[in-house]
Amino acid sequence: GNSVTQMEGPVTLSEEAFLTINCTYTATGYPSLFWYVQYPGEGLQLLLKATKADDKGSNKGFEATYRKETTSFHLEKGSVQVSDSAVYFCALSATSGTYKYIFGTGTRLKVLA
Amino acid sequence: GAVVSQHPSWVICKSGTSVKIECRSLDFQATTMFWYRQFPKQSLMLMATSNEGSKATYEQGVEKDKFLINHASLTLSTLTVTSAHPEDSSFYICSAYSKDTQYFGPGTRLTVL
Repeated sequence: GNSVTQMEGPVTLSEEAFLTINCTYTATGYPSLFWYVQYPGEGLQLLLKATKADDKGSNKGFEATYRKETTSFHLEKGSVQVSDSAVYFCALSATSGTYKYIFGTGTRLKVLA
Repeated sequence: GAVVSQHPSWVICKSGTSVKIECRSLDFQATTMFWYRQFPKQSLMLMATSNEGSKATYEQGVEKDKFLINHASLTLSTLTVTSAHPEDSSFYICSAYSKDTQYFGPGTRLTVL
């Protein structure tokens, strides 16, 4: 069945450090892939997405490339800020037509000034 | 665009009472909405899929008589927690589906005393 595996957190970085949060997936067919961010006490905000192999999603300095050969969708940012401190969720859309998502467990990021 | 609201943002109720949570897509129509529950520091647990004009589809282990879902229009779905008990205290998040993407509401924190 479909699944998403994210690196465990928490991840603690200093401001301006490079960020990578790993996400790999198992899926039949060609799912769309997503990164969402959740700030404390809030819902999830769509950060970026990619709908087919080799697509690169990008937003607010974050990037992720849909790699079918390695079944990965790693999130990267060149220089993190304290305001990036949040929980990041990787997700894939099921391709069965139900529109359901499969979420990873989430990775908590803490950026120190 | 693609804004989803939830009301209320937080609610405290007495054990045995019922609570209704609204989820609205503000600038788009959504034939499908989802209801999730999130425990502290955990990922989202899908409770049910809400389809406009038809019965909701509940995930395994979710009591449909306890968590009543109504999707009466293309912009509104409601979740009613009936006869709430302290173990129902949680963060409830809805999402609305549009163009291969789920857009999430800000969440509702329910506390049952």
